[in-house]
Amino acid sequence: AQSVSQHNHHVILSEAASLELGCNYSYGGTVNLFWYVQYPGQHLQLLLKYFSGDPLVKGIKGFEAEFIKSKFSFNLRKPSVQWSDTAEYFCAASPSSGNTGKLIFGQGTTLQVKP
Amino acid sequence: NAGVMQNPRHLVRRRGQEARLRCSPMKGHSHVYWYRQLPEEGLKFMVYLQKENIIDESGMPKERFSAEFPKEGPSILRIQQVVRGDSAAYFCASSSITGDEAFFGQGTRLTVV
Repeated sequence: AQSVSQHNHHVILSEAASLELGCNYSYGGTVNLFWYVQYPGQHLQLLLKYFSGDPLVKGIKGFEAEFIKSKFSFNLRKPSVQWSDTAEYFCAASPSSGNTGKLIFGQGTTLQVKP
Repeated sequence: NAGVMQNPRHLVRRRGQEARLRCSPMKGHSHVYWYRQLPEEGLKFMVYLQKENIIDESGMPKERFSAEFPKEGPSILRIQQVVRGDSAAYFCASSSITGDEAFFGQGTRLTVV
């Protein structure tokens, strides 16, 4: 069955700490991979996406993610978090050959950054 | 350029009533997707529509739920005879015909009392 799993449900960090959020996927074929962020009271926004090519993807606000095919992983990283990064983060996948709007989401990770 | 607009933001319904959730896609987008997020869970795909067509409803519950995207006006997700288990956040997303990204609305939080 197709699925996306995020290992960390709730992460608490101090400002300037480094962040890594885990994401693993299970899919029958090639996939497109996404990280979305939802700030309190706001809509989901796309942080970054991977379709093909360079497995290290850079997104907005200093975030990056690395696609490791052998590990079926797409972990999100940021070297130094800020208080404003407090939000919920969702990893998602869609089939490469299909529609990018039909996504399978992970459970989400709530990130709390302490000032 | 307004983003994806959903209304209402919050909706309270008594058990047995009907809930209607609206979604206006981004300008120029012809594809609409509905998702449901139950408490402590991720978003789950429900249905994918284009104008006047349901393309994929594999995630829709078999009963009480329906969706439409008419030629004019917003997409509507309709839940008949709501039950407490329908309480959730319902998100709408839209994309263009060639788009490689889905844009999400702020969601409608449905509470069934």
